[in-house]
Amino acid sequence: KAGVTQTPRYLIKTRGQQVTLSCSPISGHRSVSWYQQTPGQGLQFLFEYFSETQRNKGNFPGRFSGRQFSNSRSEMNVSTLELGDSALYLCASLGGQYGSEAFFGQGTRLTVV
Amino acid sequence: AQTVTQSQPEMSVQEAETVTLSCTYDTSESDYYLFWYKQPPSRQMILVIRQEAYKQQNATENRFSVNFQKAAKSFSLKISDSQLGDAAMYFCAYRSRNRDDKIIFGKGTRLHILP
Repeated sequence: KAGVTQTPRYLIKTRGQQVTLSCSPISGHRSVSWYQQTPGQGLQFLFEYFSETQRNKGNFPGRFSGRQFSNSRSEMNVSTLELGDSALYLCASLGGQYGSEAFFGQGTRLTVV
Repeated sequence: AQTVTQSQPEMSVQEAETVTLSCTYDTSESDYYLFWYKQPPSRQMILVIRQEAYKQQNATENRFSVNFQKAAKSFSLKISDSQLGDAAMYFCAYRSRNRDDKIIFGKGTRLHILP
C-alpha cells in the first residue's frame, strides 16, 4: 500500500503570493488532516476533511483554506503569504485499527521570502 | 480543552542504554487514545506506539514500551537498548475516542543517542 504523498516537497514563495499544497492519502482512507510545524510552535492543527467535508478547523486566519476531492485527495491553499507562514506543512490520513491513527506524509517545506 | 505537555525539550542517552520520555495530558474525557510519534531528520512522522485508555495493560512494541497512568494522566515512553537510529524528535499525542475530534500533539522531545 502506498503511503501518504505530499507535493511539492519544497517551495519558495514571495510575500503576498499564494500557494497550493497537495496531499494524497493512503488508499481507502477518507480523512485527511493538515498540520503546520514550526520550531517555536510545534505541530499546530489546521483542519481536517472527511468525505469532502471539513469537520474540524484550527485557529488559523481565513488565509488558510482547504478542500477535499471525491477521491479523498486534499489541497491546502494559503493566500497573501506572510514571512511567518514559513513552515513544514504535514498532511496525515487517518486509518489503522480504530480509524484514529494518523499516517503522515513527508511534508512540504514552505519558505516565504 | 485537552492539552499535551512534554516537559523535556531535549534528552541524551548512551547507545544500548534505556531512556524514558515523559508526557502528561489533560482531559475531562474517559475514553481516548494516546500515541507516541517519532520524527527523524528525514521529517517523516512515524507512529511508534498506541495506547487505548480503556486498556489497563501497557502497550509494547519491541524495544518500545509505555507506562500509562490514567489517574495521573501520564504517558511515558521507554526505549530499551537505544540505537543510533532512535535519534529523532518524539511527539506525544492525544485523540478523543470521538472520531470527529482532532489529534493534539505535545511540543516534542529531541532525543540524542551518544555512541
